[in-house]
Amino acid sequence: DAKTTQPNSMESNEEEPVHLPCNHSTISGTDYIHWYRQLPSQGPEYVIHGLTSNVNNRMASLAIAEDRKSSTLILHRATLRDAAVYYCILTEEDSSYKLIFGSGTRLLVRP
Amino acid sequence: SAVISQKPSRDICQRGTSLTIQCQVDSQVTMMFWYRQQPGQSLTLIATANQGSEATYESGFVIDKFPISRPNLTFSTLTVSNMSPEDSSIYLCSVEDNHRAPEAFFGQGTRLTVV
Repeated sequence: DAKTTQPNSMESNEEEPVHLPCNHSTISGTDYIHWYRQLPSQGPEYVIHGLTSNVNNRMASLAIAEDRKSSTLILHRATLRDAAVYYCILTEEDSSYKLIFGSGTRLLVRP
Repeated sequence: SAVISQKPSRDICQRGTSLTIQCQVDSQVTMMFWYRQQPGQSLTLIATANQGSEATYESGFVIDKFPISRPNLTFSTLTVSNMSPEDSSIYLCSVEDNHRAPEAFFGQGTRLTVV
């Protein structure tokens, strides 16, 4: 499985945008990029995914570099509830539910 | 979206004993997955459980230690056998929901402490 690299932690102020980076230089042409987050004392929850084009949903935006070797999860206005560990995960198309988690980025949101 | 119920939510067990964790889903799903999250660590996939076939284990996990049952499309169990303190972790099950593909849903987890 292709490997992802994320910063261990990041901090943000409430109501400000947050850009969470992920490097995946060995990504293959058919690997999907998924983001999940794990709130304290909960199981992970899906945030967003993409293949080549940038994606938007009600939770976040995903910006994918043109060479696909990196991506950025964008939270447009961080809230205290967004404090969590964010995981960037690559999956093959036919096993998108089989998730190999890296160490993730712990996001701290300051009030 | 799929709703997952895991039981027990937490337990404290004696070393050398076994614990069976249940995962119940409110809809039929093809694939169920079991993960382990050791204290302060990320999640590690233990195995994939498909109904009607033997579970497929990831490297480092064996059936004798983590036997899995998948009797139908809404239920699975994971047993942690002959427990030692190193097995103290959170165990989570995950499922796919065909109506929300490729989103995976996770249970709240079972927090296991082995003393």
